[in-house]
Amino acid sequence: GIQVEQSPPDLILQEGANSTLRCNFSDSVNNLQWFHQNPWGQLINLFYIPSGTKQNGRLSATTVATERYSLLYISSSQTTDSGVYFCAVGGSGNTGKLIFGQGTTLQVKP
Amino acid sequence: DAGVIQSPRHEVTEMGQEVTLRCKPISGHDYLFWYRQTMMRGLELLIYFNNNVPIDDSGMPEDRFSAKMPNASFSTLKIQPSEPRDSAVYFCASSLIAGGLTDTQYFGPGTRLTVL
Repeated sequence: GIQVEQSPPDLILQEGANSTLRCNFSDSVNNLQWFHQNPWGQLINLFYIPSGTKQNGRLSATTVATERYSLLYISSSQTTDSGVYFCAVGGSGNTGKLIFGQGTTLQVKP
Repeated sequence: DAGVIQSPRHEVTEMGQEVTLRCKPISGHDYLFWYRQTMMRGLELLIYFNNNVPIDDSGMPEDRFSAKMPNASFSTLKIQPSEPRDSAVYFCASSLIAGGLTDTQYFGPGTRLTVL
């Protein structure tokens, strides 16, 4: 099956800093989503982005499907950005089945 | 919409007992997913339904686990008998088909299960 690798595994930032999270995947995908799990455990969908670039406020994401990676950019980080960021992918013949990476744990310090 | 609703939010039970977790997907969504999250294994898909029909249950760990979706607005995940290694957070998610491909998955708040 598809392998999903996220980097870095852990990241500590000062409030206001920018960061880039990476997701590599081992095969062609028709579905790629980024999620944020906040410290209370809630999983929030950030982007549905199987290809191209999207932006939502301070967050943006880019997926280069031909090179099998996706990037999540966080600008001007805030303490509320803390938590775990997951990349999840679905393979060809996308049936909705998602394979999750192990996540990047982000801590933003005031 | 109220989002995906799960109950109970917390469940503590003793080994050998039956556990039933419940989920109400977002109205109109065609797909429903059950996930389990543990420190060791991360987030893993257990089973998913399309239009109330189970499509892929290859992630269900053992015969002790079963899931049903009797109608478009309700699903259950049952563990019988429960074991301590079943302790985890169980998430339900739903999504809507868009353009022939499934779209954004929306997660419920999860049920934290502890089996003593």
